[in-house]
Amino acid sequence: TQLLEQSPQFLSIQEGENLTVYCNSSSVFSSLQWYRQEPGEGPVLLVTVVTGGEVKKLKRLTFQFGDARKDSSLHITAAQPGDTGLYLCAGGRYNAGNMLTFGGGTRLMVKP
Amino acid sequence: DAGVTQSPTHLIKTRGQHVTLRCSPISGHKSVSWYQQVLGQGPQFIFQYYEKEERGRGNFPDRFSARQFPNYSSELNVNALLLGDSALYLCASTGLGNEQFFGPGTRLTVL
Repeated sequence: TQLLEQSPQFLSIQEGENLTVYCNSSSVFSSLQWYRQEPGEGPVLLVTVVTGGEVKKLKRLTFQFGDARKDSSLHITAAQPGDTGLYLCAGGRYNAGNMLTFGGGTRLMVKP
Repeated sequence: DAGVTQSPTHLIKTRGQHVTLRCSPISGHKSVSWYQQVLGQGPQFIFQYYEKEERGRGNFPDRFSARQFPNYSSELNVNALLLGDSALYLCASTGLGNEQFFGPGTRLTVL
């Protein structure tokens, strides 16, 4: 059972479109991390958010942590084929050694 | 600086065999975590070690064990392999900001 639910599971869009990926939980997390993973490789850290309501931007990617620190979103503007990959959110709890609880992932394909 | 390294890259075993996977964290990082990622799913937490001591254990059977060495490298051992153990095994080292950085993983196939 995933404590973190990601939606959508799959997304196929055309280059130039915008998209949003959601990560929801009924639990509170100390931090929320977003990763991108290519096939056969380990996840690569994109961003960490720790404060409720926090918004971070990384070029065309905008990350938001919910006010209650239970949910997060990733918005991509003007998607490019290079954005294709598996996007994973992961929640950490400092009182549990910051072991991460991962969502099931959103597989994004951006067609040229 | 080198990132997290893992060996071997790929491994094929048969049911009932034993396997040892190895991980070296980023230089200066003292904590290592292990995750199992079954195809099509997100990673699942197995173990976390800090300064050679187990800090946390996920919901995995006793066939799974791990240890951390004085140089902070780590081994994950799995006994009596089952078909369902086929997965990508990921190692992550934890930085000062509690962020976890992952290695490339070891792809284990159990036949």
